[in-house]
Amino acid sequence: SQTIHQWPATLVQPVGSPLSLECTVEGTSNPNLYWYRQAAGRGLQLLFYSVGIGQISSEVPQNLSASRPQDRQFILSSKKLLLSDSGFYLCAWGVQGIYGYTFGSGTRLTVV
Amino acid sequence: AQSVTQLGSHVSVSEGALVLLRCNYSSSVPPYLFWYVQYPNQGLQLLLKYTTGATLVKGINGFEAEFKKSETSFHLTKPSAHMSDAAEYFCAVVSGGYNKLIFGAGTRLAVHP
Repeated sequence: SQTIHQWPATLVQPVGSPLSLECTVEGTSNPNLYWYRQAAGRGLQLLFYSVGIGQISSEVPQNLSASRPQDRQFILSSKKLLLSDSGFYLCAWGVQGIYGYTFGSGTRLTVV
Repeated sequence: AQSVTQLGSHVSVSEGALVLLRCNYSSSVPPYLFWYVQYPNQGLQLLLKYTTGATLVKGINGFEAEFKKSETSFHLTKPSAHMSDAAEYFCAVVSGGYNKLIFGAGTRLAVHP
């Protein structure tokens, strides 16, 4: 069966520090991968999606970037964190839209 | 582009009462629609989905939703609320290429004794 792993679960980082969040998928090949952010009291905002290795599309210009070095690995990064980067980050994978997505358990990022 | 609107950011019901969470969509093509539930500090879990076929869709935990094209709605219901239903609920629609899932702002459901 397919599983998705996301880590770390929580992270507290100072302003200006770098960020790396990792997401890996098991049990499927060539999935579409997605990064969402959920700010406090707000809905889910699609940040990046990827349909293949090295293929990244950005939905919202911001202080973050994403990479997909392997078929089932998706990384969210920042060189210098801002206070506004705080939030709950969720990774998801899907094969076809009609099946919906499967979400990871999320990373709670607090920038201080 | 497709979008969804969830009416009511907070809904409060008594245990045993009907749950009704509202979702309206905007789509220029036949939509794929989803409801997800999120418990505190957890990821999202798929409740149910509508793709094609029967317009009344049954999901997990006793929830169901009805796709009404004429009303562009996909409201989520449960006949009898349970304390464990307290969570945040998101309506979503597949948008554009690459199967991007676009979410509504969410509705927080509170269930009181």
